[in-house]
Amino acid sequence: DGGITQSPKYLFRKEGQNVTLSCEQNLNHDAMYWYRQDPGQGLRLIYYSQIVNDFQKGDIAEGYSVSREKKESFPLTVTSAQKNPTAFYLCASSTYPTPQALYNEQFFGPGTRLTVL
Amino acid sequence: QKEVEQNSGPLSVPEGAIASLNCTYSDRGSQSFFWYRQYSGKSPELIMSIYSNGDKEDGRFTAQLNKASQYVSLLIRDSQPSDSATYLCAVKWQTGFQKLVFGTGTRLLVSP
Repeated sequence: DGGITQSPKYLFRKEGQNVTLSCEQNLNHDAMYWYRQDPGQGLRLIYYSQIVNDFQKGDIAEGYSVSREKKESFPLTVTSAQKNPTAFYLCASSTYPTPQALYNEQFFGPGTRLTVL
Repeated sequence: QKEVEQNSGPLSVPEGAIASLNCTYSDRGSQSFFWYRQYSGKSPELIMSIYSNGDKEDGRFTAQLNKASQYVSLLIRDSQPSDSATYLCAVKWQTGFQKLVFGTGTRLLVSP
């Protein structure tokens, strides 16, 4: 089955701790994305990667870091610098996004719910 | 002005009725529009994409696009209680990186 997997489903972080969220896709998509969703708010883009070994900051990158060493994998680290990390984290992937490409549907993984203790 | 605006709802309709969900956007150059359904506690699921002005139908769902008015809507015919969810409108931005900008979603409640 093609799809996107995220792990863990639930994650608890203590103050001052770094945690890493896993995202894997087997859709052969070039682009991958990390979003954060808070209650009553839309999805906000944290980081994105259009190709392997390249990634860019999104709208709310402070306190987060990523890597893209393999096409299939795009892990997100929530560092201790992120002061309000409690949220629902969503990973997505798509074909390579260009202005001419209309068909850049993004498909989401099941999400990781992070709670700060 | 918000980039993508949706009424947060809840929009309440009886079973069997037509539910109409609306979305406006500010990037006049945008060409691609998407509707996602999100059940409580779950991730968004893509249900419709539309790129041309007019209507696009898929089963009980119809997406409508009017680029001149910067308006996109989703109609759900014969609404079922299982349609109760939050519906997110997303617009592919043409300025800068081709990111998707999401609205905050409209919560739909379909009563039996």
